[in-house]
Amino acid sequence: NAGVTQTPKFQVLKTGQSMTLQCAQDMNHNSMYWYRQDPGMGLRLIYYSASEGTTDKGEVPNGYNVSRLNKREFSLRLESAAPSQTSVYFCASSESGKATEAFFGQGTRLTVV
Amino acid sequence: RKEVEQDPGPFNVPEGATVAFNCTYSNSASQSFFWYRQDCRKEPKLLMSVYSSGNEDGRFTAQLNRASQYISLLIRDSKLSDSATYLCVVNWPYGGSQGNLIFGKGTKLSVKP
Repeated sequence: NAGVTQTPKFQVLKTGQSMTLQCAQDMNHNSMYWYRQDPGMGLRLIYYSASEGTTDKGEVPNGYNVSRLNKREFSLRLESAAPSQTSVYFCASSESGKATEAFFGQGTRLTVV
Repeated sequence: RKEVEQDPGPFNVPEGATVAFNCTYSNSASQSFFWYRQDCRKEPKLLMSVYSSGNEDGRFTAQLNRASQYISLLIRDSKLSDSATYLCVVNWPYGGSQGNLIFGKGTKLSVKP
């Protein structure tokens, strides 16, 4: 019953460093998402992937890149971290083509100093 | 701008109270509506879907008013364990698809003994 698994759970980066957040789901979902959550801002969509091989920008894509490695895995990369990217990041997945329930990973708490 | 608006609260209520949360959405083409619950420092989880005719799940009742683009959640006989942030979620259709899920910023509920 793993569902959506994110790694790491916590990370501290220095400004300018790069890192990749990993996400994997075992529910055979086609759609996967990356959100960030900031106090007072709610959940905002960074990137999404409607199916394997496709990715699209969400509301706040600047400073991020994504890779849909296969159907299970969807990674988020910060090429040059900035303090404004300090946030909690959530990966989610859902059935393809439907706005059905999204299942979330446990989140990654990222601090950029 | 994609808009799902909620009263941020906090709502501080005694055990046993009835509390209602409201949400408005700006896209008249939205077809899918949900309430999610998020506990402190945890991932969001689906509480219930919202159907056109309204629906009930135990102490929780959800209502949808398409004409006013308004969703509500009623919690009866509040329990301490209901303390959480409640997120209103709406799909944002595009290109003929169901689109993505857009989250409100959440309403914080605190139930006191």
